[in-house]
Amino acid sequence: QQQVKQSPQSLIVQKGGISIINCAYENTAFDYFPWYQQFPGKGPALLIAIRPDVSEKKEGRFTISFNKSAKQFSLHIMDSQPGDSATYFCAAINPGTYKYIFGTGTRLKVLA
Amino acid sequence: GAGVSQSPSNKVTEKGKDVELRCDPISGHTALYWYRQSLGQGLEFLIYFQGNSAPDKSGLPSDRFSAERTGGSVSTLTIQRTQQEDSAVYLCASSSTVNQPQHFGDGTRLSIL
Repeated sequence: QQQVKQSPQSLIVQKGGISIINCAYENTAFDYFPWYQQFPGKGPALLIAIRPDVSEKKEGRFTISFNKSAKQFSLHIMDSQPGDSATYFCAAINPGTYKYIFGTGTRLKVLA
Repeated sequence: GAGVSQSPSNKVTEKGKDVELRCDPISGHTALYWYRQSLGQGLEFLIYFQGNSAPDKSGLPSDRFSAERTGGSVSTLTIQRTQQEDSAVYLCASSSTVNQPQHFGDGTRLSIL
């Protein structure tokens, strides 16, 4: 019940295309859902986050879609660029324990 | 500082030695977290601090692992009698308080020979 399941494990997209990464959770107590971007040799960097009282949040080319009833959320990267090539992690926080539960990551490669 | 700072950035040591990893959080952040990331894997929670106290140590893999935080700022993660399976990147994050966005350092890459 504490897991966050992330898919796909890896993704290859053409430049200008849309990258979509999905996450699913079980614990309805989770109330904050961030996405992190990690480049090799660097720590994860907060990209965008959403709380369950909204269904969508957009920041530039990055959009989170949130489906509370299905317990799923996804990251959409519009107009994907080679510089977006990185590993992306979704996460969820349990307000009772203050712990982030991370997905297993998606390695995105955007072809030039 | 401007971001979370971790040192050393790389550490190579022999099996059986003790190592100390340091994390300097963003100034004013009261919550501090340690994670472990094995090659190509996700992030494994180890421990978190609120101020100087560690309410949740449940993620520490064994009693060879310990952590402390002093003055509500710098934290050290200590691994005693290192084993080869301890080889990983150890990441530190801080947040203004619990339940707020976490900001990560670039980690310490630990290699046990």
